[in-house]
Amino acid sequence: DTAVSQTPKYLVTQMGNDKSIKCEQNLGHDTMYWYKQDSKKFLKIMFSYNNKELIINETVPNRFSPKSPDKAHLNLHINSLELGDSAVYFCASSQVRGEAFFGQGTRLTVV
Amino acid sequence: SQQGEEDPQALSIQEGENATMNCSYKTSINNLQWYRQNSGRGLVHLILIRSNEREKHSGRLRVTLDTSKKSSSLLITASRAADTASYFCATDERGGADGLTFGKGTHLIIQP
Repeated sequence: DTAVSQTPKYLVTQMGNDKSIKCEQNLGHDTMYWYKQDSKKFLKIMFSYNNKELIINETVPNRFSPKSPDKAHLNLHINSLELGDSAVYFCASSQVRGEAFFGQGTRLTVV
Repeated sequence: SQQGEEDPQALSIQEGENATMNCSYKTSINNLQWYRQNSGRGLVHLILIRSNEREKHSGRLRVTLDTSKKSSSLLITASRAADTASYFCATDERGGADGLTFGKGTHLIIQP
């Protein structure tokens, strides 16, 4: 069983569109995250979320919004996509201050 | 803000040799973690070392942590072709929000 799974693996879309990436974890972790990896492979946290609190990296545009229907899911919604949003997006989960388990990533290409 | 800096950015060695990667960071930490990323794949956790630990082993991996110098090293002994990947250090910052701050990574190539 995949511990952290995200879909789709690839997403190609036009500028201005709205898209979502889904993420599910079956590890029973309290906290889930979204990270963005740019073309230079640099990873940056976008959001961390548990059932109490959403923490947003201040550099993330408000076009990006996480939505958590339950503890095992944290989906990423992106509105009005821009060329600069092209990147690989990783979902992850962990217990507090523990090792993180990552999904396989979603390669988003905005054309 | 970017926390860690890995050194070197790229490393190419022969199979069987040892590979050492270094990481420096800027703030106080709860722990430091190392991850591996194969091309086009997700990140895999390798090892976590807490701020009160100085050295940790896991199989062919040895990690050291020097909090006075804010630095860590990852040693892979007896390298194999399958170790070819990018390696990232990541810090859990003390007093910071939950989540990891990653360095830029070291791309390791093991020549067969």
